[in-house]
Amino acid sequence: EPEVTQTPSHQVTQMGQEVILRCVPISNHLYFYWYRQILGQKVEFLVSFYNNEISEKSEIFDDQFSVERPDGSNFTLKIRSTKLEDSAMYFCASGLSRYEQYFGPGTRLTVT
Amino acid sequence: AQSVTQPDIHITVSEGASLELRCNYSYGATPYLFWYVQSPGQGLQLLLKYFSGDTLVQGIKGFEAEFKRSQSSFNLRKPSVHWSDAAEYFCAVGARSGTYKYIFGTGTRLKVLA
Repeated sequence: EPEVTQTPSHQVTQMGQEVILRCVPISNHLYFYWYRQILGQKVEFLVSFYNNEISEKSEIFDDQFSVERPDGSNFTLKIRSTKLEDSAMYFCASGLSRYEQYFGPGTRLTVT
Repeated sequence: AQSVTQPDIHITVSEGASLELRCNYSYGATPYLFWYVQSPGQGLQLLLKYFSGDTLVQGIKGFEAEFKRSQSSFNLRKPSVHWSDAAEYFCAVGARSGTYKYIFGTGTRLKVLA
């Protein structure tokens, strides 16, 4: 059964550094998402992406964040200058329609 | 404000016992409703979803959930729990139009006693 994959599974970075989290969505899906879960808190929506553009973003998704679909298979989340409070589990999701979201295993980002 | 409440942070049941995990939502209109399960080190796996129609929906791994509009609830049930069901369970809602985002509850961690 096809599934969403994410790399790396764990990323450690220093405050102020740029990080890129990578996702390979399910191949025929059209809608792509990033969520994050700070330890002990709810899963929170960051951004949705459809037809090669951002369709919606949350207030968390400020100018430090960007997303890209550089080729037909990858979907990336870039954080330009990481802060301690960016430490979280980041989940990528994809869907064939806007009414279903299939999640990847997550990337745990630790900012030191 | 839109929200999802899972009142039980932890639940412990014995293997073979029945299970009910509670989920209540506050939303402007009837949303789409989902249950996800997260095993340690794993992603969020979709257990089941409600869009419309029959209010009792069947999912994977023997789970079912019932949508009750009058109570704004979407409780997850399983008649006989297996040790492998130990995990964290998340209820989520999504809009029928407009916003793309899902709103998640805080999760219920299930422990299963042998």
